[in-house]
Amino acid sequence: DVKVTQSSRYLVKRTGEKVFLECVQDMDHENMFWYRQDPGLGLRLIYFSYDVKMKEKGDIPEGYSVSREKKERFSLILESASTNQTSMYLCASSFRYKGGEEETQYFGPGTRLLVL
Amino acid sequence: DQQVKQNSPSLSVQEGRISILNCDYTNSMFDYFLWYKKYPAEGPTFLISISSIKDKNEDGRFTVFLNKSAKHLSLHIVPSQPGDSAVYFCAASSTGNQFYFGTGTSLTVIP
Repeated sequence: DVKVTQSSRYLVKRTGEKVFLECVQDMDHENMFWYRQDPGLGLRLIYFSYDVKMKEKGDIPEGYSVSREKKERFSLILESASTNQTSMYLCASSFRYKGGEEETQYFGPGTRLLVL
Repeated sequence: DQQVKQNSPSLSVQEGRISILNCDYTNSMFDYFLWYKKYPAEGPTFLISISSIKDKNEDGRFTVFLNKSAKHLSLHIVPSQPGDSAVYFCAASSTGNQFYFGTGTSLTVIP
């Protein structure tokens, strides 16, 4: 079974704090993704990575950065947390698409972040 | 701009009846479509997918229909069960790597 784990289920931080969200997958997936889920807005892609040390901006990268030093680990960093970053953060991973059968993304349980 | 849209935020259905969830997309380059199911406080889990070379894919009680000319897909659940109550997201892809998700439809199946 694919397992994607996230370091925290719930986090409470103060405005201006630096926040680290960690994600680890155990399926040797090349691709890893960070989304946020907000009511009425669905899942929006923040950043993704196709390989170690590479990253690509998603639809809403402002205020976030990422780090992928190892294949199995993808970190999301909020450099200076703001109240509008209160959200559910979801990490996902998948094999890289190489043609033929499409690949499915597997999600972690999510981290609910509250910024006060 | 939202490339994948789910215009119904919520849907209520009686147990045993059919649930139909709809999804529209704007990008004609999308060639792979998926449905995910999400329970509260959990991550989304993959439910069913369809490639653009097909117009229907079935897996047990779940069937996905794709109408490429209308840029529309739908998920049918027959018969609906209370355990199907969840938020359903449709997603679309053109590269096989990045997915674009809809806003979700919250399904409630009434016993």
